[in-house]
Amino acid sequence: QSVLTQPPSVSGAPGQRVTISCTGTSSNTGPGFDVHWYQQLPGTAPKLLVFDNDWRPAGVPARFSGSKSGTSASLTITGLQAGDEGVYYCQSHDTRLDVVIFGGGTKLTVV
Amino acid sequence: EQLVQSGAEVEKAGFSVKLSCKAYGGTFGSTAFSWVRRAPGQGLEWLGGIVPGFETKKYAQKFHDRVTITADESTTTVYLEMSGLRSEDTAIYFCARHRGGYYYAMGDWGQGTTVTVSS
Repeated sequence: QSVLTQPPSVSGAPGQRVTISCTGTSSNTGPGFDVHWYQQLPGTAPKLLVFDNDWRPAGVPARFSGSKSGTSASLTITGLQAGDEGVYYCQSHDTRLDVVIFGGGTKLTVV
Repeated sequence: EQLVQSGAEVEKAGFSVKLSCKAYGGTFGSTAFSWVRRAPGQGLEWLGGIVPGFETKKYAQKFHDRVTITADESTTTVYLEMSGLRSEDTAIYFCARHRGGYYYAMGDWGQGTTVTVSS
């Protein structure tokens, strides 16, 4: 059981928008703590998609955006494409446990 | 900036394995490196990490007695050694470089090393 809670799966049609949630506690996703998001496509290494809640690394399309409120964070993907199919993970650092933590992952299917 | 990991390993249960991750470019001594694995049908799992220049190490509670993470600044290489291998340790192991300390995102990832544990 992961410290950060994500839905196991989400789906959407090409061109649509989906949102993936990530819920933690005051010691990892609360005010003052940053959440990061990774995309893992089949057969590849994870790739940083969003860092520090809502910043995109160079080269990541603006279709991917992040936000955070309270102890929950969200990743929104607009203009879904077949190539977006994969697993998406949120990640933070738990200050009470002093460890890096991941969400359980959300499998995105483009139907 | 690239992280290049060692090749696939097949090892028997009860034995040990040591994986390497060489950093090409980017900072090394003052940034955190983590080891993360993904077992079949499971999600990403953090094993532990190191800040090479400060020898600052952290381990997930689950692995603290079986995992040792080390670094060699002269070769800019980070290592993961896991002892007492079990079948459930069969997974792809990734090294990753944080953008600073452990609080920061992991911006660079290695290509992954497949470890297969046979009984």
